[in-house]
Amino acid sequence: GAGVSQSPSNKVTEKGKDVELRCDPISGHTALYWYRQSLGQGLEFLIYFQGNSAPDKSGLPSDRFSAERTGGSVSTLTIQRTQQEDSAVYLCASSNSGGAWETQYFGPGTRLLVL
Amino acid sequence: AQTVTQSQPEMSVQEAETVTLSCTYDTSESDYYLFWYKQPPSRQMILVIRQEAYKQQNATENRFSVNFQKAAKSFSLKISDSQLGDAAMYFCAYRSARGSTLGRLYFGRGTQLTVWP
Repeated sequence: GAGVSQSPSNKVTEKGKDVELRCDPISGHTALYWYRQSLGQGLEFLIYFQGNSAPDKSGLPSDRFSAERTGGSVSTLTIQRTQQEDSAVYLCASSNSGGAWETQYFGPGTRLLVL
Repeated sequence: AQTVTQSQPEMSVQEAETVTLSCTYDTSESDYYLFWYKQPPSRQMILVIRQEAYKQQNATENRFSVNFQKAAKSFSLKISDSQLGDAAMYFCAYRSARGSTLGRLYFGRGTQLTVWP
């Protein structure tokens, strides 16, 4: 009965380093979403996975950002060559099947600080 | 692209009183869903209430209700009998019912609600 979990809770890295953020969705949920929350931009959509369909990557801000979802469950968001503007809280959410009416269940987020 | 506007960065209310949070949105779509999410200091977003655009009846969930005005593209949240635990950041969100942007929620900037004892 666990909710969405994310790791790490907090991550401090140096500019130019790569980071990986992990999301474990609710068991059985086929839809998974990544959002970014920052003071300057508010809450922004990044990427959406739905089952075996090609993901909607249209929200990724640059080619330094990528995400994958293995086995239809765990997802990893990777940021290469981090920049200070990447500092934000990265939120993951999952929903049952991706329907527009569905509740998206959010994890507690990963706070990323790029020095 | 759809935009969601919350014009009140901060609001406050006395415990047991009623408060209304405002939200407007801009869209050319006729079929969509609207949501209010709450984010306490723990950062975990929690769904408060949702509204289907094709329904004229306003949604209610216990102490929470909405005033949905489709023509005006307005979607306000009313919290009755406010409790200390209601203190949080509240986000209004829009989601298309179909199309290429189906997967995403569009969020407003949020309203920080303070509840005074």
